[in-house]
Amino acid sequence: NAGVMQNPRHLVRRRGQEARLRCSPMKGHSHVYWYRQLPEEGLKFMVYLQKENIIDESGMPKERFSAEFPKEGPSILRIQQVVRGDSAAYFCASSNRRGADTGELFFGEGSRLTVL
Amino acid sequence: GENVEQHPSTLSVQEGDSAVIKCTYSDSASNYFPWYKQELGKRPQLIIDIRSNVGEKKDQRIAVTLNKTAKHFSLHITETQPEDSAVYFCAASIIRNQFYFGTGTSLTVIP
Repeated sequence: NAGVMQNPRHLVRRRGQEARLRCSPMKGHSHVYWYRQLPEEGLKFMVYLQKENIIDESGMPKERFSAEFPKEGPSILRIQQVVRGDSAAYFCASSNRRGADTGELFFGEGSRLTVL
Repeated sequence: GENVEQHPSTLSVQEGDSAVIKCTYSDSASNYFPWYKQELGKRPQLIIDIRSNVGEKKDQRIAVTLNKTAKHFSLHITETQPEDSAVYFCAASIIRNQFYFGTGTSLTVIP
């Protein structure tokens, strides 16, 4: 059973370009979360998705950032017109439960975005 | 929304000593409290968790305690070893399945 797969592991973009980060959850998991981690900082929640639905995007910047989790294929975090402040590690995590019986989050290895 | 605070931000202990990391949360609806360990450049990984119907849980050298009344929970690592050096994150999860993380504690175990 493969774990959470993220790609690319490292991505370099110039200011103004677009960054697309992909996440395939663990098999059988239908809940996906994206977190951003700045150097020497904690994990900041961005968005929580289920298949074809955004459940909570309260942590997403209002502009330039979007996320989706289509019926088929991986979840994608898209950052348009990147700026240097977007440089960070972006972690995806998946879970297989909801409600009171919450389950463990399984993290991917992260995608490290560097904006030149 | 939930607010999770974590202390201390850095912690150094001598090998063999104990380490304690504390977290507080704000939302009384939170019912699941995991702890994650993140080694440098690696993914966070679950090391122990506790649910709101339990006050304490232990797994070998690691234990977690939960005080629901005071809304705080703690991680205890006994007989620390150099390989325990990492960043530790606490988290709180509420019924709608949102996970809120603390800001992390960088633990250094000095040989």
